[in-house]
Amino acid sequence: DSGVTQTPKHLITATGQRVTLRCSPRSGDLSVYWYQQSLDQGLQFLIQYYNGEERAKGNILERFSAQQFPDLHSELNLSSLELGDSALYFCASSRREETQYFGPGTRLLVL
Amino acid sequence: TQLLEQSPQFLSIQEGENLTVYCNSSSVFSSLQWYRQEPGEGPVLLVTVVTGGEVKKLKRLTFQFGDARKDSSLHITAAQPGDTGLYLCAGGGGKLTFGKGITLSVRP
Repeated sequence: DSGVTQTPKHLITATGQRVTLRCSPRSGDLSVYWYQQSLDQGLQFLIQYYNGEERAKGNILERFSAQQFPDLHSELNLSSLELGDSALYFCASSRREETQYFGPGTRLLVL
Repeated sequence: TQLLEQSPQFLSIQEGENLTVYCNSSSVFSSLQWYRQEPGEGPVLLVTVVTGGEVKKLKRLTFQFGDARKDSSLHITAAQPGDTGLYLCAGGGGKLTFGKGITLSVRP
């Protein structure tokens, strides 16, 4: 158990819909990262937040957005969903950037 | 764009055998991490290496960071079925770049 929690574990929705994925970091970690894992692309960095502020951005689509709240939990919002958005979404947290601990992930299926 | 290439892509061996897998890049990384991931679960951090030439051991697993900090290797001694999984290397800090991974299967 990494100490990072993610909800929900599974999510099935339809194209065009919007979903919110939630992440609670390990106690004391100020940084939260979001990654997408698909069979063809592997694990891809989406975005990083540090103590409530956006710190780094990867290849995150404009339809996707995230935020980190004062209690340090984070949410990833995915809108206008497409079939290709089906993937595993992971949250990670860290105190030091090179040592990230991953949550169990949310498996998103868009039908 | 920094890329990490892992080889071999797939490896199937018998319990008790030794193996070495690789993670290579043309870019210099400030640090490199190795993770193991099982199906449907999140990657689990095995080790972080930060100094060129550094060697770290975790029970039967030995990790080495190349002198130029562009590559890394993972050696497993006397592999066991519990070592089965996807081994991922990742480079950098914060915005981690991941390799595609090595799928290891250890047969009893």
